[in-house]
Amino acid sequence: NAGVTQTPKFRVLKTGQSMTLLCAQDMNHEYMYWYRQDPGMGLRLIHYSVGEGTTAKGEVPDGYNVSRLKKQNFLLGLESAAPSQTSVYFCASGISQRTSRRAHEQYFGPGTRLTVT
Amino acid sequence: AQTVTQSQPEMSVQEAETVTLSCTYDTSESDYYLFWYKQPPSRQMILVIRQEAYKQQNATENRFSVNFQKAAKSFSLKISDSQLGDAAMYFCAYRRAQGGSEKLVFGKGTKLTVNP
Repeated sequence: NAGVTQTPKFRVLKTGQSMTLLCAQDMNHEYMYWYRQDPGMGLRLIHYSVGEGTTAKGEVPDGYNVSRLKKQNFLLGLESAAPSQTSVYFCASGISQRTSRRAHEQYFGPGTRLTVT
Repeated sequence: AQTVTQSQPEMSVQEAETVTLSCTYDTSESDYYLFWYKQPPSRQMILVIRQEAYKQQNATENRFSVNFQKAAKSFSLKISDSQLGDAAMYFCAYRRAQGGSEKLVFGKGTKLTVNP
């Protein structure tokens, strides 16, 4: 099992450019999440998905869009990048079955470091 | 809204000694989960330990244990026999039990240094 993978690992964008971050998981998890991590801020939720074809806003959704066309993939898009979006982006997946010992745990990818100049 | 506070931005410990990292949280919920995540320089977020609020027994995972005080809304992490590989950022996180889509709410982290 590869777990949760993210593509790319690093990216530099100019202000106004667009890009898509790809997250893939092979654990058959229903739930997937995108977080951003800024210095001194911990991780904050951008968007999340509870299943294929569904997405919802998190704590800091502005400037981002997401899609979940396949259960195993969760895409994060930046339509017009801004310097304020310079951050490390983490994808996570998880299950929520109370009878499972792993209920409510989230498994994280290795992160993508994005710099917007 | 739920909040998680880690009051120690940095901590240090001697190898083989014990260290305790503090975490407090604020919630009006009675059923929830608490987690400690480790983030080494590689950036990978690694789940260290979890605690279910409805369980009174403190969770343990090898050298890692927690002191869960529900009434005080406190959830500290104790690392025994500290090793050099324990050096990392440690994040405390909270999640509601109701609703499987609920986000993790993270504290700002504690940087742990292990001195040889």
